[in-house]
Amino acid sequence: EAQVTQNPRYLITVTGKKLTVTCSQNMNHEYMSWYRQDPGLGLRQIYYSMNVEVTDKGDVPEGYKVSRKEKRNFPLILESPSPNQTSLYFCASSLSTSGVGEQYFGPGTRLTVT
Amino acid sequence: DAKTTQPNSMESNEEEPVHLPCNHSTISGTDYIHWYRQLPSQGPEYVIHGLTSNVNNRMASLAIAEDRKSSTLILHRATLRDAAVYYCILRNYGGSQGNLIFGKGTKLSVKP
Repeated sequence: EAQVTQNPRYLITVTGKKLTVTCSQNMNHEYMSWYRQDPGLGLRQIYYSMNVEVTDKGDVPEGYKVSRKEKRNFPLILESPSPNQTSLYFCASSLSTSGVGEQYFGPGTRLTVT
Repeated sequence: DAKTTQPNSMESNEEEPVHLPCNHSTISGTDYIHWYRQLPSQGPEYVIHGLTSNVNNRMASLAIAEDRKSSTLILHRATLRDAAVYYCILRNYGGSQGNLIFGKGTKLSVKP
């Protein structure tokens, strides 16, 4: 089944403790992206990647890192999480390099930072 | 990307058609009209997209006004599973970072 998977689905952590949220897609998509969703603010893009080893900042990149060493994986790294990063995170992928076609989303990761 | 306007909420009865409107009066000639939906506790899901002509797929139909300043997503027979927030989004394919800008969308409730 074609899908985007994220792990973990739920995570509670403390301020400053490094964490990684994994994202993997099995559709051989070129484009991958991370969003965060907050009440009243909609989805905001954090980082995106048009291809392996090519990543770029989205609208809200501060406090986050990403890497794209393989086409299928696009982990999101929080080196020193803070409470304002408590949010619902979605990974997405798209066949087109620019991501303007249909985007497939993962199920989401709900992160709480205390 | 140009702005869209949608009603905050709509209600439908199960097995009846649903017409979800979207206004986009500032749409440019190269903007595609995309629809996504987000079911409770799930990630957004692609529904349909079009440029000028009406489009049909297994999930829905998209009717685009002749002047392209509005469009309507049509669910032919609503089911309880169609209860979700529906987002109308304009996408310009002329080189962007690919980010989807979701507005507030229309929350669709389906009554049995």
